[in-house]
Amino acid sequence: DGGITQSPKYLFRKEGQNVTLSCEQNLNHDAMYWYRQDPGQGLRLIYYSQIVNDFQKGDIAEGYSVSREKKESFPLTVTSAQKNPTAFYLCASSIASGRRETQYFGPGTRLLVL
Amino acid sequence: AQSVAQPEDQVNVAEGNPLTVKCTYSVSGNPYLFWYVQYPNRGLQFLLKYITGDNLVKGSYGFEAEFNKSQTSFHLKKPSALVSDSALYFCAVRDMVSNTGKLIFGQGTTLQVKP
Repeated sequence: DGGITQSPKYLFRKEGQNVTLSCEQNLNHDAMYWYRQDPGQGLRLIYYSQIVNDFQKGDIAEGYSVSREKKESFPLTVTSAQKNPTAFYLCASSIASGRRETQYFGPGTRLLVL
Repeated sequence: AQSVAQPEDQVNVAEGNPLTVKCTYSVSGNPYLFWYVQYPNRGLQFLLKYITGDNLVKGSYGFEAEFNKSQTSFHLKKPSALVSDSALYFCAVRDMVSNTGKLIFGQGTTLQVKP
């Protein structure tokens, strides 16, 4: 987990509410990723960013949005359009987006719906 | 389609015995393979990866993995299990088709090591 922080650890969302999950890294990594983890399904890619001011949709981007205004920060917003947001959200980063590079993960944020 | 399969939902071993967690993959071309471990309510910790070269890869905490191209497998092994090895283990392969850089994960295998 070292070098990548996620906050909060737990987040509660009400109906119709947008919530933002924070991800910060001090590893000087160019690439950052957001994954969603559901029980028994492994992890699925939501969004990724290969460099500052650029980001792309992953496999399950609907109902989510991101920004990458700073190299060290990649916040994820879960919008009201995401109808099933309850999951464990993991942020990852790698020194570059090349295929040989290892992705390192933060400690995660668990999102629950009230 | 690219995929990773971990055929066992749970593996049970006694402390001190060798352990194996199985992984098979399907990708285009030469695979880049990874193993991660996850403790409850924590993020994923990187254990080891295979990129090229020696088929036996050594990683953190005494774990190793054997790449077998003919069987498209990348099984995780440890000669002597510890109770503290009990956790959820994920095998992953790099997506070789899209330009996302994403990892394709298996569904995970829970390792239970009993004293």
